[in-house]
Amino acid sequence: SQQGEEDPQALSIQEGENATMNCSYKTSINNLQWYRQNSGRGLVHLILIRSNEREKHSGRLRVTLDTSKKSSSLLITASRAADTASYFCATDATRKAAGNKLTFGGGTRVLVKP
Amino acid sequence: EAQVTQNPRYLITVTGKKLTVTCSQNMNHEYMSWYRQDPGLGLRQIYYSMNVEVTDKGDVPEGYKVSRKEKRNFPLILESPSPNQTSLYFCASSLTGRAYNSPLHFGNGTRLTVT
Repeated sequence: SQQGEEDPQALSIQEGENATMNCSYKTSINNLQWYRQNSGRGLVHLILIRSNEREKHSGRLRVTLDTSKKSSSLLITASRAADTASYFCATDATRKAAGNKLTFGGGTRVLVKP
Repeated sequence: EAQVTQNPRYLITVTGKKLTVTCSQNMNHEYMSWYRQDPGLGLRQIYYSMNVEVTDKGDVPEGYKVSRKEKRNFPLILESPSPNQTSLYFCASSLTGRAYNSPLHFGNGTRLTVT
């Protein structure tokens, strides 16, 4: 089963509104990352938050991490039509010799209506 | 421009006909990896390489081969493709094999259909 599970699976909002999506995971992690995927394209890295960090910002993105609840949230403020995409969380579990072993969740599909 | 380049973007083939999907990165990254993406199953890692001549299995390696003879290239080989390998494939690379300081850079994907 997937390490990260995003919630909701799909989200539809109006331009200018905020979009929030959540990610839950099962095992201890070194860090958690969020990626965006436009339809049919490769994933693009958005933000990385380490296990000892609680909140991180990048432009209109805000990520929180609660390791006690094994969960993270991604907030996109003042959304734009160009934010329409699927968003994935990915976790780097604390294990040995697994390389850059990111495990991806199933994603949240976000539709921003103009 | 720093990028990961996959070819081809689209490929339709028949069962059993060997094929290779190429992947090349121009960022001098040590780490490279292949993923497949299927509806409802998310992204699953097929193989990865920590550096030249070092490769290892991911979560779903059956039916695939890889090689890493040069740092920039990491081809994915399907010796005898089957319909269950119909999928969207992504190559990715990162500076090092440690995710805490090294986000993945993805190619634009190869959509493979095996009939």
